[in-house]
Amino acid sequence: EVQLVESGGGLVQPGGSLRLSCAASGFTFSSYSMNWVRQAPGKGPEWISYVNSVTGTTTYYADSVKGRFTISRDNVKNSLYLEMNSLRAEDTAVYYCARRGTTVFDHWGRGTLVTVSS
Amino acid sequence: EIVMTQSPATLSVSPGERATLSCTASQNINNNLAWYQQKPGQSPRLLISGASTRATGVPDRFSGSGSGTDFTLTITSLQSEDFAVYYCQQYINWPPFTFGPGTKVAIK
Repeated sequence: EVQLVESGGGLVQPGGSLRLSCAASGFTFSSYSMNWVRQAPGKGPEWISYVNSVTGTTTYYADSVKGRFTISRDNVKNSLYLEMNSLRAEDTAVYYCARRGTTVFDHWGRGTLVTVSS
Repeated sequence: EIVMTQSPATLSVSPGERATLSCTASQNINNNLAWYQQKPGQSPRLLISGASTRATGVPDRFSGSGSGTDFTLTITSLQSEDFAVYYCQQYINWPPFTFGPGTKVAIK
């Protein structure tokens, strides 16, 4: 069974940093591209970052986080990461890791809540 | 960036009735459209890809149609577990992958 378990969320002050992790199991992690998708309270999902399979050398970011967030993966540890810096109030959301199957996000974790507030 | 819109924002339906949800893309996306279902407190769940192909385990009362810019998700004979928010998403032109704002299917 495919499982994605996020961790690392919490309360952080504006301007602060946080590192999210996603532990994957039940599939060959290195074979899949992975993504972070966030959802602000009462809003729809917002894709924020992508990393390619195997090498993890190709990354993409939404304009809203470009230059502040960094995605990475460790195929030995079957883990996905999101380093978040210069956090703003508008970054408050539930952050999901999502596996990209052939084309679509076919499995999602349960999410971790990030709250940016003073 | 391709903008996705959905209508209506809320759809009130009685159990056993049919629900028809619409999704429109700001430009031609062929059939590169997915639908997701999200229940309160849960993560989104993939229902349909390729505009009309149901994901594994999705009941056949869910069907998707459309191509180009206009798409429809139809739920025939709504069950209690189908009351949720539904999102469409395009994946032809990325980054970014873009989602619609969602349609809430509520009990009438």
